[in-house]
Amino acid sequence: DARVTQTPRHKVTEMGQEVTMRCQPILGHNTVFWYRQTMMQGLELLAYFRNRAPLDDSGMPKDRFSAEMPDATLATLKIQPSEPRDSAVYFCASGSVQGRRAKNIQYFGAGTRLSVL
Amino acid sequence: AQKITQTQPGMFVQEKEAVTLDCTYDTSDQSYGLFWYKQPSSGEMIFLIYQGSYDEQNATEGRYSLNFQKARKSANLVISASQLGDSAMYFCAMREGETSGSRLTFGEGTQLTVNP
Repeated sequence: DARVTQTPRHKVTEMGQEVTMRCQPILGHNTVFWYRQTMMQGLELLAYFRNRAPLDDSGMPKDRFSAEMPDATLATLKIQPSEPRDSAVYFCASGSVQGRRAKNIQYFGAGTRLSVL
Repeated sequence: AQKITQTQPGMFVQEKEAVTLDCTYDTSDQSYGLFWYKQPSSGEMIFLIYQGSYDEQNATEGRYSLNFQKARKSANLVISASQLGDSAMYFCAMREGETSGSRLTFGEGTQLTVNP
C-alpha cells in the first residue's frame, strides 16, 4: 500500500531552534508539495517540486524557511530559526503530473504537528 | 477573492441518511480539476473523489458522488448512507489549468458529524 511518509509526526521545540521535517514521496511520483495548515489560514501551499526542481516557493517565508529534495525519495522542509507563529501542521503530498486533463491527484502524508514554544 | 467557497462550517446528518456538502469555485480557466478530501480527527488528508472540468458525467466513488454543475461553478459532494466513520472535516479543492502545475487551492472545510 503506497503512501507518503512524513517524519516526525510530532515536534515540540523552543523558539530559535532549527526544525527539519522529512517526507518520503510515493515511489514514482514526480511532484512533491509542502502545505501548512493552521486554524487561521487553513491549508496553504508553501512550496513544490517537480522532478526534484523547485517550481514555486512563493508561499514560504524566505528568511527562515527552506525546502529541498536531495534525491527522489526525500524532501525536506527546514525552519531556522523557528518562531511560535510557525506552530502548525505541515503536510507533504506527492503526485504524478501527467499533463492536461489528467487527474494529477495529490496524496498526502499524515503530517508533522509542530509546536514552537 | 475566494477561489473555493464552502459555506457550511458544520453539518449534521443521521446515520444511514444522505448528506450534501456544498462547494463553489471561481476560475477563468477552461481546464481545471476539482477534488474532495476528508480529514478525520487523526489528522491525515484522504483523497475521496475527482471531477475534471471536461468530464461530462458526474464522478462517483462508492458512496461518494460529486454533483458537478459547471455553469453554476459548483461541485457539491454527496455522501450516501452516512456512517459514523464519515464524521470528519471535508475539504473541497481546485487545480487550475496547466500553467500553475498541479497546485491545489483549498476551501475552509466543512465539519460533518454523523449522529447514531
